Amino acid sequence: QKEVEQNSGPLSVPEGAIASLNCTYSDRVSQSFFWYRQYSGKSPELIMSIYSNGDKEDGRFTAQLNKASQYVSLLIRDSQPSDSATYLCAVNIPTNAGKSTFGDGTTLTVKP
Amino acid sequence: NAGVTQTPKFRILKIGQSMTLQCAQDMNHNYMYWYRQDPGMGLKLIYYSVGAGITDKGEVPNGYNVSRSTTEDFPLRLELAAPSQTSVYFCASSYGAASPNEQFFGPGTRLTVL
Repeated sequence: QKEVEQNSGPLSVPEGAIASLNCTYSDRVSQSFFWYRQYSGKSPELIMSIYSNGDKEDGRFTAQLNKASQYVSLLIRDSQPSDSATYLCAVNIPTNAGKSTFGDGTTLTVKP
Repeated sequence: NAGVTQTPKFRILKIGQSMTLQCAQDMNHNYMYWYRQDPGMGLKLIYYSVGAGITDKGEVPNGYNVSRSTTEDFPLRLELAAPSQTSVYFCASSYGAASPNEQFFGPGTRLTVL
């Protein structure tokens, strides 16, 4: 089992819809969770971080964390074509010398 | 602040050649990382450093070496380049383990080994 697993994708949604991206992790002591967005040919860019169970909202983005289920998700409301990118889930384990473990990413396409 | 900078942006190497990928950050971050990303794949950690003079291997260190003589710079050395090292290389930095460890990435170096 991979340490961090994401929807295999690709995911396609119409403009204005809600895009839901999911991520599961295997290590129960994980404490910090991140979503990075990576446009084609560009470097990853942090868009959301979450550390406590529940929801965290930032504009059109909502991160959801459920530590009991070892599950973290990213919801994008009112999806726009500019949201088309690969989304990487990353998990930080405090005993892991500061290293984050990344999933393979889910590619999202928002169709006009 | 320039953030994390990487040079060169692109490079083509012949098999057996060597090169150094440069990485610098001006955010006074303690932690720095080197990743490679193959097409359609996630990031694989090559080496990381928790401070000047301290480096350690990631999950794919073979064929690479690093040094960290200053807080700002973290060069990655490729010795005896092989086609399997064709990839995009990203350098990243973060404040450190005491923080949530959000990472900031450089623009990447696209390397082709022929």
